[in-house]
Amino acid sequence: GAGVSQTPSNKVTEKGKYVELRCDPISGHTALYWYRQSLGQGPEFLIYFQGTGAADDSGLPNDRFFAVRPEGSVSTLKIQRTERGDSAMYLCASSSGLGDTGELFFGEGSRLTVL
Amino acid sequence: SQQGEEDPQALSIQEGENATMNCSYKTSINNLQWYRQNSGRGLVHLILIRSNEREKHSGRLRVTLDTSKKSSSLLITASRAADTASYFCATEYQGAQKLVFGQGTRLTINP
Repeated sequence: GAGVSQTPSNKVTEKGKYVELRCDPISGHTALYWYRQSLGQGPEFLIYFQGTGAADDSGLPNDRFFAVRPEGSVSTLKIQRTERGDSAMYLCASSSGLGDTGELFFGEGSRLTVL
Repeated sequence: SQQGEEDPQALSIQEGENATMNCSYKTSINNLQWYRQNSGRGLVHLILIRSNEREKHSGRLRVTLDTSKKSSSLLITASRAADTASYFCATEYQGAQKLVFGQGTRLTINP
């Protein structure tokens, strides 16, 4: 597709379960970002990939959160032992990765609900 | 943490009026961007202004940047009901290659 694709769009899980959220960026975009957004708040930075490597993972809240981008395209955000406080919209964005941070292209998000 | 603070948090105006939203930030930046988000959807990029620019226009949008005051404003002229959304400023501060978003302004345009 032409835009950033995120799956699933909605995920309901139980406390303590493992969750994977997938992001398929725009073809050719080398930079990929994960953000988390709680209701009524702005997006909060989690992690940034340049190619296959995590260039900045300073926003990951704790070691239950992990993200990979093994081939420099699709990325997966993994959350272990989910907690109710993990409930939020998880947004993925990509950009060309050239120069400074230019325009980010966002997906529609994955809404995670932990019961 | 979120670098930007936006003012007001919510704004409700009549269709046809102008809407002004403000953003303040804390440290030196490379660029500042504005995004729009319809309820429950992803964000859409509106405009980018670099630290050496003072004003930029795009259609009905006008953005100003005052680096001495560490602030920016977004003006939407001749507002339409379809402009109803949340608007976020985002900054790329020097030394980082990521955007830090503010809390947003929720804009409601009444027909």
